[in-house]
Amino acid sequence: NAGVTQTPKFQVLKTGQSMTLQCAQDMNHEYMSWYRQDPGMGLRLIHYSVGAGITDQGEVPNGYNVSRSTTEDFPLRLLSAAPSQTSVYFCASSLQDRGAYEQYFGPGTRLTVT
Amino acid sequence: GNSVTQMEGPVTLSEEAFLTINCTYTATGYPSLFWYVQYPGEGLQLLLKATKADDKGSNKGFEATYRKETTSFHLEKGSVQVSDSAVYFCALSDPARTSYGKLTFGQGTILTVHP
Repeated sequence: NAGVTQTPKFQVLKTGQSMTLQCAQDMNHEYMSWYRQDPGMGLRLIHYSVGAGITDQGEVPNGYNVSRSTTEDFPLRLLSAAPSQTSVYFCASSLQDRGAYEQYFGPGTRLTVT
Repeated sequence: GNSVTQMEGPVTLSEEAFLTINCTYTATGYPSLFWYVQYPGEGLQLLLKATKADDKGSNKGFEATYRKETTSFHLEKGSVQVSDSAVYFCALSDPARTSYGKLTFGQGTILTVHP
């Protein structure tokens, strides 16, 4: 199993550009999520999905869109990038293990918006 | 809402020193508690977890005990190594079944271990 994979690893955008961060998992997990990591703030939930065709907002959803057409893939779209979206983005999928959900994280995408 | 507070960092130790990173939480019900570790340039890895009061999670010499009376989940290691240098995150998952394990993270603690 490759686990959770993310592409690209690094990206530089200009303000106003759009792009899609890719996330895929091969563990057949129903639940997937996107977090952003900023210095001194830990990780904050952007959007999540509890299965194909079902998505919902997390703590910081503004400026981001998601869709979930398959169990495996959960892309994150930035429609018009802003400098405030400079961050490291992590995708995760989760598995229920003895009553607790355990999350598996991808390696991250480091995004800089100039 | 749920929240997690970690001790202020960064933490700098000499090899073989004792490590404690404090973590306290606020949550309704009985959350599951986690410690994640992030090595330089990598994603987060689960270090250990505990799912109910008085549970002790352990892995790679690290331990943490779920203390409901003090709402704490402090991370400890008796003798740190240079290879333990990383960022450590305390996190909790909402106990509600419909939360699907959404995590609330602390701000992270940077640990640097010198030879």
